[in-house]
Amino acid sequence: AQSVTQLDSHVSVSEGTPVLLRCNYSSSYSPSLFWYVQHPNKGLQLLLKYTSAATLVKGINGFEAEFKKSETSFHLTKPSAHMSDAAEYFCVVSDQDDYKLSFGAGTTVTVRA
Amino acid sequence: DGGITQSPKYLFRKEGQNVTLSCEQNLNHDAMYWYRQDPGQGLRLIYYSQIVNDFQKGDIAEGYSVSREKKESFPLTVTSAQKNPTAFYLCASSTEGHIIYEQFFGPGTRLTVL
Repeated sequence: AQSVTQLDSHVSVSEGTPVLLRCNYSSSYSPSLFWYVQHPNKGLQLLLKYTSAATLVKGINGFEAEFKKSETSFHLTKPSAHMSDAAEYFCVVSDQDDYKLSFGAGTTVTVRA
Repeated sequence: DGGITQSPKYLFRKEGQNVTLSCEQNLNHDAMYWYRQDPGQGLRLIYYSQIVNDFQKGDIAEGYSVSREKKESFPLTVTSAQKNPTAFYLCASSTEGHIIYEQFFGPGTRLTVL
């Protein structure tokens, strides 16, 4: 069975500084990994996904994530935070032969002016 | 404009009442999903449907029911048997019921039991 641990429940950054959101996963097989973003009272939007191609994945809005199998990690980064990045972020894992997504508890990002 | 719509945005229910949440998609997707979101937790799968007239239970199906009579519609009924129904409910769809296909999410319905 797969599972996800998001290591920080809340991250606060200043506008223009880097953002790092940490995610560790557990999976029995070759996993697929995703990052979704959710703005308040909205649905989720896919930022990026890893499905066994390149280990460095680029997503929308300047985000990227690196799959590290040896560390079972899939951390999300952005070099320069923008006020519009304030939202909740979910790391998601699924075994590749499955329909089912397992969500982390989420990391809330606050961006200070 | 293609997408997923959920209605209503906010819903209030008295204890003991059944309520139905609407989910409609015009993306021509075969698979549809219902998730529940509670504060400080990730999303949990309630039901999913990979094709019309077929659906399966997810991790927390007790107290919920669904139907899939049309490809574009997947309504969720929260019954009086659901002991703690206050939550944010999200509907999603994908081209097929496999994780390699991105799930697209609706804007959600916030249900409050009074």
